This record gives sequence, C-alpha cells and structure tokens, in this order.
Amino acid sequence: QFHLVESGGGVVQPGGSLRLSCAASGFTFNNFAMHWVRQAPGKGLEWVADMTSDGTTKYYAESVEGRFTISRDNTKNTLYLQMNSLRPEDTAVYYCAKHDSGGVWGGWFDPWGQGTLVTVSS
Amino acid sequence: QSALTQPPSASGSPGQSVTISCAGTSSDVGAYKYVSWYQQHPGTAPKLLIREFSQRPSGIPDRFSGSKSGNTASLTVSGLQADDEADYYCVSYAGSRWVFGGGTKLTVL
Repeated sequence: QFHLVESGGGVVQPGGSLRLSCAASGFTFNNFAMHWVRQAPGKGLEWVADMTSDGTTKYYAESVEGRFTISRDNTKNTLYLQMNSLRPEDTAVYYCAKHDSGGVWGGWFDPWGQGTLVTVSS
Repeated sequence: QSALTQPPSASGSPGQSVTISCAGTSSDVGAYKYVSWYQQHPGTAPKLLIREFSQRPSGIPDRFSGSKSGNTASLTVSGLQADDEADYYCVSYAGSRWVFGGGTKLTVL
C-alpha cells in the first residue's frame, strides 16, 4: 500500500523560510517522480513543483519559481520542499503526491499524502 | 498559465446523473491525453477518480466516467449517492507544468 506522510509545516513570518518533508513507503521511491501541490484555505488546488525519479529534472509553478526548491533523497525515501522568501499568499496545506512513472511528462497524481499546513503571518 | 474552468457547483438527487465540465485550451486539455479527475471530501486529501480522460483506476466504481470533446473534459457521476457529495477537480498536463481546474462542489440533494 503506497503511503506518503508530510511534515514540517507551521507558522512563519513573511520573508521567512521553511522546509517540508514527505516520507514515502510501500513502493520503490526511486522509480517514481514526485509532486508538491498546495491548497489555500477554502480554495482550490494549485500545482507547485515536480521532480523526476532521479532528481535531474525539476519544474516549478511561476508563482514559486526562484523562491522554492524541490529535492529528494532516494536513500531516505523522502521528498523535500525548501520554501524561502515566504509570502502571506503561500499560506496553504501542502500535499506531496506520487507520479505514475519516473518522468514528469504526462501522467497523474496517485496517491496523495494527508498534507501539512503552512501559515505565513506576522 | 490560467486555471481550467469548472462550474463552481453542481447538484443532483440520489440516483440521478450529474456531469461536471472542465474547459481548457489547445495548450493543455486539447494538446495532451493527460487529464485526470480527483474527489476531495472535506478535511481529506484528494483521491484519483479518472486518469487519461476516461480510464478508471482499480477500485473506482463504474458510476464514475470521463470523456473529452475538443478542449473540454467532462466527468459524469451516475447513480448519485450521498457519499458522492464532495469537491471535484480536474487537472491537465500543459507541457512541463500542470494546470488545475477551480473545483466543483457537488451537492447530493
């Protein structure tokens, strides 16, 4: 059974930094690309970033490019999201999701973790 | 990249069918076969319902079906049940990026 558990959320001031983690189990982590998707309170889903299984290719949404960095440690079966220069509009539940293959060209998101809440406020 | 367009709400009585549309462009929905649909109950993570416009993953009831016409994808929920009341999202691959719809709240009357 595929399982994803996010952690690292919390309250941070505008301009601050936070690193999220996503621990994977139940599948061969280094065979699959991974995504981060966020959901602001009461709002819809927004894709944030993805990374290929080998970590060589990454893509970002325009809203976070240059501020967020996606990475992974395949020896620890863990995906990360380093978030810098945080803004109030980054406040959201952040989900990690498994891609259906090693590349990020096409596909779908399944499964998703339970999410971790990030609140950017002074 | 603009979000895909979904109706904010939809409703139907138990046993009826409801169709939710997801309008995109020739750069996303119209360009790739990678449109998927997700169901989200309050306070829970999204769950995959349909992939590649119309393919159901194992374990998803055949009451859920998907289709595509031009730049618009659609999700149909047949034989509505109380537990179908949830938010539904479409998402399309858009060439190195992914675009979500704004979501549709389905109410079972």
